[in-house]
Amino acid sequence: QKEVEQDPGPLSVPEGAIVSLNCTYSNSAFQYFMWYRQYSRKGPELLMYTYSSGNKEDGRFTAQVDKSSKYISLFIRDSQPSDSATYLCAMSANAGGTSYGKLTFGQGTILTVHP
Amino acid sequence: GAVVSQHPSRVICKSGTSVKIECRSLDFQATTMFWYRQFPKQSLMLMATSNEGSKATYEQGVEKDKFLINHASLTLSTLTVTSAHPEDSSFYICSARDLRREKLFFGSGTQLSVL
Repeated sequence: QKEVEQDPGPLSVPEGAIVSLNCTYSNSAFQYFMWYRQYSRKGPELLMYTYSSGNKEDGRFTAQVDKSSKYISLFIRDSQPSDSATYLCAMSANAGGTSYGKLTFGQGTILTVHP
Repeated sequence: GAVVSQHPSRVICKSGTSVKIECRSLDFQATTMFWYRQFPKQSLMLMATSNEGSKATYEQGVEKDKFLINHASLTLSTLTVTSAHPEDSSFYICSARDLRREKLFFGSGTQLSVL
């Protein structure tokens, strides 16, 4: 069993739709949870960063973490064609989260938002 | 603009040759950098952690004699794929840890194709 499971999709939605992306994990030591966006043949860019359980909102993006269920989600409201990319969840058990950098990634979900 | 520069972005080489990939932090000192490999439609897999002035730490299953990592300065880490074979063809991505900003920045990746 992989430490982090993510449905690879692909996921295709119309412009303006609400997109829901999620990951499950098995390692209860994970404390830091991140969502990255990756365009084709580019490095990932950080979208959201959450510590432990709870919600975090940033513009059209909302990240949720449920540690009891080992389940994390990313919601994109009012999706735009420019949101079309691969979305990767990532997790870390190290104190400092992204500052330590040893991340375990999900497989990535390919999202297409069509006009 | 990019804070981590990765070069080259794409390289095609013959089987048996060695290829060097550079990862530079542009506006911060990075005592730690990370090297990932990503196969098509798959997640980023951590290969090794590169520490300035010391030997790299390799993940299980990664051949340290094949993937040579040098982190000789606070702004530069290099990954050399020695005696490359077609199965080494992949997308290689580096990341660098900025302790001051407590962030992890990714390079734009290098697509290696071994003929």
